[in-house]
Amino acid sequence: DTEVTQTPKHLVMGMTNKKSLKCEQHMGHRAMYWYKQKAKKPPELMFVYSYEKLSINESVPSRFSPECPNSSLLNLHLHALQPEDSALYLCASSQDPGASGRVRNEQFFGPGTRLTVL
Amino acid sequence: ELKVEQNPLFLSMQEGKNYTIYCNYSTTSDRLYWYRQDPGKSLESLFVLLSNGAVKQEGRLMASLDTKARLSTLHITAAVHDLSATYFCAVDISLNRDDKIIFGKGTRLHILP
Repeated sequence: DTEVTQTPKHLVMGMTNKKSLKCEQHMGHRAMYWYKQKAKKPPELMFVYSYEKLSINESVPSRFSPECPNSSLLNLHLHALQPEDSALYLCASSQDPGASGRVRNEQFFGPGTRLTVL
Repeated sequence: ELKVEQNPLFLSMQEGKNYTIYCNYSTTSDRLYWYRQDPGKSLESLFVLLSNGAVKQEGRLMASLDTKARLSTLHITAAVHDLSATYFCAVDISLNRDDKIIFGKGTRLHILP
């Protein structure tokens, strides 16, 4: 199995809702990532989990809350989002996290969740 | 501050022609990635360049890395319509506390039949 899966594919939510995005990989990768991508813009790194521990939080607002229940799963909990948070949210994984001198290998991206906040 | 600059940002070219996309970055790194993204789709990994002088080729695409010049190139040979997509380079810095992956703005490549 060489793919990263994400659910749901599309999500529409109001500003008072609580929802979660899910990501799963079964490649034995030890690093998982959340990116946000606005239309016609490059992806922006949000969070990195390395060996199931949060290693990077790129100053993301607290209305985004990541969770890594185990090495194969990554969640992004959403609460009280704003319309400007509407974007494509991409999950990725890599074999090695890249910290402490280890080389980060290529990242495999999931298909993304297209989020619309009303 | 780490900056990653791609150029051109938009490229329209005829089938059969050759062209090069450039990716310049502003700080030391010896790891650089190239990705392809089709409209409405996710990112597909094309190349992983992990050392100075690295050169990788896949079909009509060839990528290289010059860490001294802080420059990577993605060369397209005899372009075909199927290569139309947006191409991103991404620079990886993870050898110190400042652990970042920064993407260039992307090059939208449109190949005319």
